[in-house]
Amino acid sequence: ILNVEQSPQSLHVQEGDSTNFTCSFPSSNFYALHWYRWETAKSPEALFVMTLNGDEKKKGRISATLNTKEGYSYLYIKGSQPEDSATYLCAFISTGNQFYFGTGTSLTVIP
Amino acid sequence: DTEVTQTPKHLVMGMTNKKSLKCEQHMGHRAMYWYKQKAKKPPELMFVYSYEKLSINESVPSRFSPECPNSSLLNLHLHALQPEDSALYLCASSQEGFPFETEAFFGQGTRLTVV
Repeated sequence: ILNVEQSPQSLHVQEGDSTNFTCSFPSSNFYALHWYRWETAKSPEALFVMTLNGDEKKKGRISATLNTKEGYSYLYIKGSQPEDSATYLCAFISTGNQFYFGTGTSLTVIP
Repeated sequence: DTEVTQTPKHLVMGMTNKKSLKCEQHMGHRAMYWYKQKAKKPPELMFVYSYEKLSINESVPSRFSPECPNSSLLNLHLHALQPEDSALYLCASSQEGFPFETEAFFGQGTRLTVV
């Protein structure tokens, strides 16, 4: 079993604040990293699929970066809104098709 | 249609029962997945079907038996489960046949309770 750690475990921010959190994964045998947002009582929703070292992806106010050499990815949310409240999961995929979700970061945006 | 539909939403079964979970997508996706999520833990991959063939089985006990009757349907047959198998079972699909190549679309899950 591989270690895919996310930090912090939970986070409370005020509406309008920008925030970021981290996904750490093994730096060897990297194939891809996925980011998902999972709101309570809904399905996980894909945010990004990242495959190349140095990748930067953006969707609206959310962006992500990837460093495969050191084994981490950052997710940034600019100007957090209450609707951003969710659990954010990264998923590491190895070249051997091993797939592991991270431990998740629970974000609460306070109006 | 960008939905993955799972039925039933909730299921309570006894340890001697046989039941099936169903998953359906009409997006033309060629890879389909089953995950299991226990409370306060991240989902764990169970099975992957690629082009209707089982391509990944994460050493799941044989009391869980997946089936892919066609490219739109994925079933998970359950038999002689244990209470510790109680969990949320999530189905997902992705466009490319090679697993994890593209983003996955998830269903809302089946909440299974084994009594």
